[in-house]
Amino acid sequence: NAGVTQTPKFQVLKTGQSMTLQCAQDMNHEYMSWYRQDPGMGLRLIHYSVGAGITDQGEVPNGYNVSRSTTEDFPLRLLSAAPSQTSVYFCASSPGLAGGYEQYFGPGTRLTVT
Amino acid sequence: AQSVTQPDIHITVSEGASLELRCNYSYGATPYLFWYVQSPGQGLQLLLKYFSGDTLVQGIKGFEAEFKRSQSSFNLRKPSVHWSDAAEYFCAVGARGSYDKVIFGPGTSLSVIP
Repeated sequence: NAGVTQTPKFQVLKTGQSMTLQCAQDMNHEYMSWYRQDPGMGLRLIHYSVGAGITDQGEVPNGYNVSRSTTEDFPLRLLSAAPSQTSVYFCASSPGLAGGYEQYFGPGTRLTVT
Repeated sequence: AQSVTQPDIHITVSEGASLELRCNYSYGATPYLFWYVQSPGQGLQLLLKYFSGDTLVQGIKGFEAEFKRSQSSFNLRKPSVHWSDAAEYFCAVGARGSYDKVIFGPGTSLSVIP
């Protein structure tokens, strides 16, 4: 049981480049989320999904896209990278209301945009 | 909208000493409450959670937390700290029925002196 996996662990992009951060979970959770972590700001929700085919915006969605074609996968796309997107990105999954929205986190992707 | 504060940015304790990390929240009804721990370079791991019932909840690694409605607090405690407890600790508050409304505090960094 791998839990939540994320790739890559580290990435350096130049301003304007695009890329996709991968996230997968093997716990059959309906709920998945993407957060970014910046010093002193805790975690901020970028996008989330409550099931395959259903996504919605979180607190800081600008510059990011998501899709959820399967229960397992929830990729995050950076459309045109900017230095303000330098951050650590975490994917999380949750069993939803039955688990009180308890979340299981991946190991994170550290992204630097130059 | 709910919010959560962690008044202490950084705490240093000696190994074997007791620990209390503070968390205050703002929410109009009874919230879901969580404490997560993040070791350096790792994702977040759930320590404990409060949904309802007994206001003193036990978690993993010897941690406990007490929900005090009158003080809007959910402080994390451990009677004897181990060097391996050095990490970042995040309090989170969730709204019943709203997966996207889980809000994380800014975190408290714990250092342990041998």
